[in-house]
Amino acid sequence: DAMVIQNPRYQVTQFGKPVTLSCSQTLNHNVMYWYQQKSSQAPKLLFHYYDKDFNNEADTPDNFQSRRPNTSFCFLDIRSPGLGDAAMYLCATSSGRGRGYTFGSGTRLTVV
Amino acid sequence: ILNVEQSPQSLHVQEGDSTNFTCSFPSSNFYALHWYRWETAKSPEALFVMTLNGDEKKKGRISATLNTKEGYSYLYIKGSQPEDSATYLCAPPFDQGGKLIFGQGTELSVKP
Repeated sequence: DAMVIQNPRYQVTQFGKPVTLSCSQTLNHNVMYWYQQKSSQAPKLLFHYYDKDFNNEADTPDNFQSRRPNTSFCFLDIRSPGLGDAAMYLCATSSGRGRGYTFGSGTRLTVV
Repeated sequence: ILNVEQSPQSLHVQEGDSTNFTCSFPSSNFYALHWYRWETAKSPEALFVMTLNGDEKKKGRISATLNTKEGYSYLYIKGSQPEDSATYLCAPPFDQGGKLIFGQGTELSVKP
């Protein structure tokens, strides 16, 4: 089945140690999104790609970076994770602007 | 900033109860409203995309209505079952570009 896959499902990292979360898709969708969800809060958009066009949200911390080397893969890099970055990170894809999303199952990040 | 509110934040019902919850959003510049169901350890799953005032959509025992003039949508579940236990998220697009702005969700727990 075509899908969105996030690895790993759970990630534990040390305070200040760079970490990378990955997302891959077999849907050939041209839009990919990264959301951060902290406990009992709304998922918050960090950034998205429309093809290779990168769009950063105004309030996304500089500590968060993203790469999309090809249509299928997208990475979220956290350069120096702090305790406040512990959250669920969701990747989603869409076939175009204004279309619904297909989500991955998320990566839960713990910072120790 | 688009403000999306969902209520209640959590709901505990018995199997067989019918339930409903609310999504409120700004009524100006409305484009669409998406509903997702997010079961624990799974990917959020699309339920409905609603675009027209007065829209009513149904999927099995779940239905949703939309009032774009007053800025709300209701989600109804008839005869709740334990497998309906999930977090239900609503999201209007921020603009015609389509990036979704999520509410904090309603967490539904259905006890056998």
